[in-house]
Amino acid sequence: DTGVSQNPRHKITKRGQNVTFRCDPISEHNRLYWYRQTLGQGPEFLTYFQNEAQLEKSRLLSDRFSAERPKGSFSTLEIQRTEQGDSAMYLCASSPGQLNTEAFFGQGTRLTVV
Amino acid sequence: KNEVEQSPQNLTAQEGEFITINCSYSVGISALHWLQQHPGGGIVSLFMLSSGKKKHGRLIATINIQEKHSSLHITASHPRDSAVYICAVLYNNNDMRFGAGTRLTVKP
Repeated sequence: DTGVSQNPRHKITKRGQNVTFRCDPISEHNRLYWYRQTLGQGPEFLTYFQNEAQLEKSRLLSDRFSAERPKGSFSTLEIQRTEQGDSAMYLCASSPGQLNTEAFFGQGTRLTVV
Repeated sequence: KNEVEQSPQNLTAQEGEFITINCSYSVGISALHWLQQHPGGGIVSLFMLSSGKKKHGRLIATINIQEKHSSLHITASHPRDSAVYICAVLYNNNDMRFGAGTRLTVKP
């Protein structure tokens, strides 16, 4: 297993367009997290999944954002009608989902909205 | 107010110096991660601990559950240690929250 994989690594889009990011977690990891990180800040929680169930969503996740994990494996994060303020690094992490286990991070997808 | 507070925000050191980064949190947790993030965004987990102390090479992490405080120490710092160090707390429901990070620059 090569770890948590995110695609694409970079995305430049025009304001108003929709974008979709993909995260492939480590195999058999039940927990999958999405975070957003802006320049100079620590990651901010967006949402997480236990298998295919989305257990929590941050208030940062406006109606334009939606995340899915249809089969409990890979996950997608879609942003509709992108705004310049959406420009950030979007990070995905996975963990086995048991107590006291380590989270593993992907390299992130850097979104630039122009 | 961030529920995970790190200090300092920025730290510049000379090669060889002993470095300490601090993390405080406000509610009980099940574990705490120290993460390292290099330019370009990749995050690497350095430690996960729920009590006591862990050591890996020149890195030492301690946690005091009663005080809700953790420290990351780097001995004999080196320019390649320059990175952002992030504290992340894991709650009992496996929810995870991050500090804002400490940007460390080690000068030769």
